[in-house]
Amino acid sequence: GENVEQHPSTLSVQEGDSAVIKCTYSDSASNYFPWYKQELGKRPQLIIDIRSNVGEKKDQRIAVTLNKTAKHFSLHITETQPEDSAVYFCAAKRESGLFFGNEKLTFGTGTRLTIIP
Amino acid sequence: DGGITQSPKYLFRKEGQNVTLSCEQNLNHDAMYWYRQDPGQGLRLIYYSQIVNDFQKGDIAEGYSVSREKKESFPLTVTSAQKNPTAFYLCASSIGYEQFFGPGTRLTVL
Repeated sequence: GENVEQHPSTLSVQEGDSAVIKCTYSDSASNYFPWYKQELGKRPQLIIDIRSNVGEKKDQRIAVTLNKTAKHFSLHITETQPEDSAVYFCAAKRESGLFFGNEKLTFGTGTRLTIIP
Repeated sequence: DGGITQSPKYLFRKEGQNVTLSCEQNLNHDAMYWYRQDPGQGLRLIYYSQIVNDFQKGDIAEGYSVSREKKESFPLTVTSAQKNPTAFYLCASSIGYEQFFGPGTRLTVL
């Protein structure tokens, strides 16, 4: 099955600096890679995702890059703010035709991001 | 994700008791999932269901059971066979590529 590794497990950055979180996956057939943000005691929230047919996607201060050859993808947060402090999870899954949208996600172990004011 | 509800928010149980966690969605999603999250840990898949009346074991199914009799509902029973059930339990549902989470139930065994 799929295996997703995420690094680093903790990350502290100065407010205004950039943060980068990296994930690798094992199943070359995986074609969907979301990122979730989880604040303390809350549910994970989808913040950005990328499909295997593109190499990069950006949404304001957040961007995700995908390297299919190397089987890794990264989350980039620029101009970090205190409200970016949270745990971030990457995930991967392979969408097939029979149960489109119903396959299971495999999650990384999470990165605790702390923004230092 | 506002269309996924879990109840109760907090649940306390004595050792040896079974307990059922509720998960309901009104999003018309076919697939539903249960995850367990321990403090400082990631999300581990317990069970998932791709369609009504069908479900599959995830990575840590031992000591848990589920049913999927209705599209909207996917209850999780934590049985007495689960030796360390204290955790945060998250239900999710999906349509297309995106998966959305419920607010979670925090289960504590006394």
